[in-house]
Order: sequence, then C-alpha cells, then structure tokens
Amino acid sequence: AQSVTQPDIHITVSEGASLELRCNYSYGATPYLFWYVQSPGQGLQLLLKYFSGDTLVQGIKGFEAEFKRSQSSFNLRKPSVHWSDAAEYFCAVGEGSGTYKYIFGTGTRLKVLA
Amino acid sequence: DAMVIQNPRYQVTQFGKPVTLSCSQTLNHNVMYWYQQKSSQAPKLLFHYYDKDFNNEADTPDNFQSRRPNTSFCFLDIRSPGLGDAAMYLCATTPGTGRNQPQHFGDGTRLSIL
Repeated sequence: AQSVTQPDIHITVSEGASLELRCNYSYGATPYLFWYVQSPGQGLQLLLKYFSGDTLVQGIKGFEAEFKRSQSSFNLRKPSVHWSDAAEYFCAVGEGSGTYKYIFGTGTRLKVLA
Repeated sequence: DAMVIQNPRYQVTQFGKPVTLSCSQTLNHNVMYWYQQKSSQAPKLLFHYYDKDFNNEADTPDNFQSRRPNTSFCFLDIRSPGLGDAAMYLCATTPGTGRNQPQHFGDGTRLSIL
C-alpha cells in the first residue's frame, strides 16, 4: 500500500543547531515528493519538491532535502535553525493518475529553544 | 500576488446550523481541493474539482457538499454541523493533472461548533 511515514511526531532543537526531519515513503512508481510547512493557524506552504534529476533539492528558507531511492527516504535538513522555523512539517507524495492527490505523512512538530 | 484566499478565517456556528466556507483563487488553476484538518493531524481530502467535474472521496460524509460556480470560486457547505466537524478547513489549488504539480494552499478557515 502507498504510504508516507514521518517517524518523529515531535522534535526539539536549540536555535542555531542543525535539523533533520525524516520522511519515508512506500510508492510503486517514481515518487513525486514534497515538503510543506504549516505555522500555527496558517495554511501549508511549499518548502521544496522532488521529481527527478539531482537528488539533493534546495528549497526556500534555507531548507534542503535529499532523495534516497535505496532507503525510500526524503529527509528534510537545515544547517542552522531559527526560532521562526518552529512549525509543523508535512511530507507528501503525489499519487494517482488524472487529477492527482497527496498522500500526507502525519507531520512532525518542531519546537525551537532559544 | 496570485493567491488562494479563504473567508472567513474564523467561523463559529451552532450545532446543526448550516454553514458555508468560501475559497477564491487568482491563480486561474483548474483544480481546487477541500481538506479537513483536525488538531495535530495531517489534512484529510474531502473532495476536489477539476474544472466543473466534482470528485468526492469515498469516506467524505454526506453532510459535506461543495459548489464551484466558476474557475475562481469554490464553496464548502456543511448542512448540519456536528461537534465532530470542528476543524480547520483548507482550500488548495493546482494547475491541472499531473503528480508533479504542487498544491497551493490558502490560510484556512477554523470552524468552531457551539
């Protein structure tokens, strides 16, 4: 079955520390992968996406993600976290044919300590 | 800036009293989605339109309906809201078919039921 797993429900890091949020997917075909961020009371904002090509993808706000087919992973990273990065992060895979849909992971809530 | 706008941001209604949530977009996208998101959960797709073609998810309650009078606007109607319908409702758009097209989200409407 197609699925997206974000193993960490909550992560706490200190401001200035590095960050890695994990995402594992199960998908039969080539996955189209997305990371979104959701600040409290807001909608989802696209951070980055992967379709093909270079497996290291750069996004907005200093985030990057690396696609590893052998590990079925698409982990999100940031070298130095800012307090404003505190939010919920969702990994998603685009699936289906025709009008497509997302399979979302359950999300990881990031807390940043000053 | 082209965007997805949801009104109102906060909506309070009474148990059983019909309510309508609104979404408009200036992106001229063909596809519009409605999601329900409960606290600390991933968004759950309710239905989507490709142009005027309506696509209902199998597990969307009959209590939820939608209208799309034109490309720019889409409405979510909840006929008889129950306490379990209290949630954030997100509208999203995408240009058309294809798994590689990211969805653009509005800031959501938070619905409370008294």
